[in-house]
Amino acid sequence: DTEVTQTPKHLVMGMTNKKSLKCEQHMGHRAMYWYKQKAKKPPELMFVYSYEKLSINESVPSRFSPECPNSSLLNLHLHALQPEDSALYLCASSQDQGMGYGYTFGSGTRLTVV
Amino acid sequence: DAKTTQPTSMDCAEGRAANLPCNHSTISGNEYVYWYRQIHSQGPQYIIHGLKNNETNEMASLIITEDRKSSTLILPHATLRDTAVYYCIVKLDNYGQNFVFGPGTRLSVLP
Repeated sequence: DTEVTQTPKHLVMGMTNKKSLKCEQHMGHRAMYWYKQKAKKPPELMFVYSYEKLSINESVPSRFSPECPNSSLLNLHLHALQPEDSALYLCASSQDQGMGYGYTFGSGTRLTVV
Repeated sequence: DAKTTQPTSMDCAEGRAANLPCNHSTISGNEYVYWYRQIHSQGPQYIIHGLKNNETNEMASLIITEDRKSSTLILPHATLRDTAVYYCIVKLDNYGQNFVFGPGTRLSVLP
C-alpha cells in the first residue's frame, strides 16, 4: 500500500458544527503532515507529527486541533470554523520528518464552511 | 518564504519536451532541489530531486547548472495528463526544515 487515504473527500459544515478529517497511511511512515490549500495558492504547512508527537504547529488557530492516535492515523478536529477556513486540506506522510523526496500526499478533503 | 522563482505559467505542445525553469540563486551548498507537481483536485506528487548532478527517472530529467543557482525540469514527451502546477522547492534533506511550496508554474499541455 503506497497511498495516503483521506476521508471525507468533501465536507460542508456550519460555523457551529464540530467535524473531523481523517488521514490514514500504511507505509510505515513516522512523520505525518497537515497542509491547507486555498484556491490557486500553494499548500501551506499547518502541523507536523513525528513519531506520533506534535513536532510543528505553524501558529494555527485553536479551532483546528490535530490528533495522532497511532502511527498510521492522523485526524484534524474542526470546531467553530469561519467561512475563510474553506479550503482543500491535504495530509502527507514521509518516512521521517524533513525528508523532501519522500512525501506522499493524499487527494485532500475539500472543506466548505457556511 | 520560498527560496525559488518560477514562471507563473507555460504552454507546451503535446508530444514536445516541456522545459520548466527554476531560479534558486541563494541556494546553499547542502540544499537539495525538489520538484513536485499538482494535478487539478489532487495532492502534490513527487517527481525528482537532485543536489549537484543531473538526474533522470521514469518521469523526468533534472538539469542543475554548475553554479547551482538555477535548474530545469524536463518532461521529454509531454502529454495532456502532464497539465499541472509544477513546484520547485529548495530545502535541506534533514530534520527540522519545513517543506515550503512557492507559487509554482502552471503548465498547460496543448493538443
